[in-house]
Amino acid sequence: KQEVTQIPAALSVPEGENLVLNCSFTDSAIYNLQWFRQDPGKGLTSLLLIQSSQREQTSGRLNASLDKSSGRSTLYIAASQPGDSATYLCASVGANFGNEKLTFGTGTRLTIIP
Amino acid sequence: DAGVIQSPRHEVTEMGQEVTLRCKPISGHDYLFWYRQTMMRGLELLIYFNNNVPIDDSGMPEDRFSAKMPNASFSTLKIQPSEPRDSAVYFCASSGPRTSPGELFFGEGSRLTVL
Repeated sequence: KQEVTQIPAALSVPEGENLVLNCSFTDSAIYNLQWFRQDPGKGLTSLLLIQSSQREQTSGRLNASLDKSSGRSTLYIAASQPGDSATYLCASVGANFGNEKLTFGTGTRLTIIP
Repeated sequence: DAGVIQSPRHEVTEMGQEVTLRCKPISGHDYLFWYRQTMMRGLELLIYFNNNVPIDDSGMPEDRFSAKMPNASFSTLKIQPSEPRDSAVYFCASSGPRTSPGELFFGEGSRLTVL
């Protein structure tokens, strides 16, 4: 059974700093790994998707990396802004039929201090 | 495309009542997922469908919960009878076939309160 862990559970950094969010998973048989953002009272917004054959993906100030062999993914946020404050969740999709579900981590609640 | 559409957005009901949550996935997506989110347990997968067929319902809490997908554009999650511990936000999500990257898109959720 896949287990996804995100540490730390909460993180506060001053505006303008670069930061890294961590995600680890136990089963390397993944189809892809996704990073989501969730604002309070809202649904989940997909930020980046890394397919199992890829090492990283970039979108604007966000860069996500994937290392299947070590069971790790990171989300790098450059030049953080107060609008980046949200909960960030990573999730892996199983590669095998009957296991195509997303398994979520518990999230990292990020606060950017103006 | 309008994205994944869920209704109702908010539901307040009394214990013992039947609750039906609805979801319209993105057109062309053949995977549909129902998740539940609570503060204590985070996001939990309840059930998912592929081409309208339930593939894994091991996350459905008990027999009070049932889900159907009668066609590619509609799914329901029903709770009968509802209990206070069912209070949560229920999310529906959809994704494309395995020939695609498989990005998952979520609806805005249905916030259920059972009194």
